[in-house]
Amino acid sequence: KQEVTQIPAALSVPEGENLVLNCSFTDSAIYNLQWFRQDPGKGLTSLLLIQSSQREQTSGRLNASLDKSSGRSTLYIAASQPGDSATYLCAGAGSYQLTFGKGTKLSVIP
Amino acid sequence: GAGVSQSPSNKVTEKGKDVELRCDPISGHTALYWYRQSLGQGLEFLIYFQGNSAPDKSGLPSDRFSAERTGGSVSTLTIQRTQQEDSAVYLCASSWPTGAAEQFFGPGTRLTVL
Repeated sequence: KQEVTQIPAALSVPEGENLVLNCSFTDSAIYNLQWFRQDPGKGLTSLLLIQSSQREQTSGRLNASLDKSSGRSTLYIAASQPGDSATYLCAGAGSYQLTFGKGTKLSVIP
Repeated sequence: GAGVSQSPSNKVTEKGKDVELRCDPISGHTALYWYRQSLGQGLEFLIYFQGNSAPDKSGLPSDRFSAERTGGSVSTLTIQRTQQEDSAVYLCASSWPTGAAEQFFGPGTRLTVL
């Protein structure tokens, strides 16, 4: 059974810093890995999806990497802004269902 | 185009009552998923529909939970005889039918069972 872990559970950084969020998974036979953002009281917004054959994906200030052999993914956020404050979730996909980590709550301090 | 929509956004009910939660997927998406997000358990898969195939109900926590999808589009999640532990946010997602396609989520329905 797939298990997904995210460390740290919470992170507070000053505005402008670059930061890395970590995600690890136990079953390397994933089809893809998806990173989401969740604002309080809201649904999930898809940020990046990395297919199992890919190593990384980029969108604006976000870069996500995937290393299936080590069971790890990272989400890199460059030049953080207060608007980046949210909970970030990673999820590994089996053939269709997603298994989620518990998330990292990010606070960017102005 | 429009994203995934869910209704109601909030539902408060009394223990023992039945509730229905609705999901409208993105037009053209044949795959539809229900997940539950609770404080203690995080986000859990509940059920998956793909086209006219039999749904995967393996994540439903008890036989009080059921879901249907009519006409390959709108889906309804029904919880019978609600219990306090059913209180959670119920999220719906949809995707294209290709294997492990990107899933797009709705805003969720927050269910509170008193």
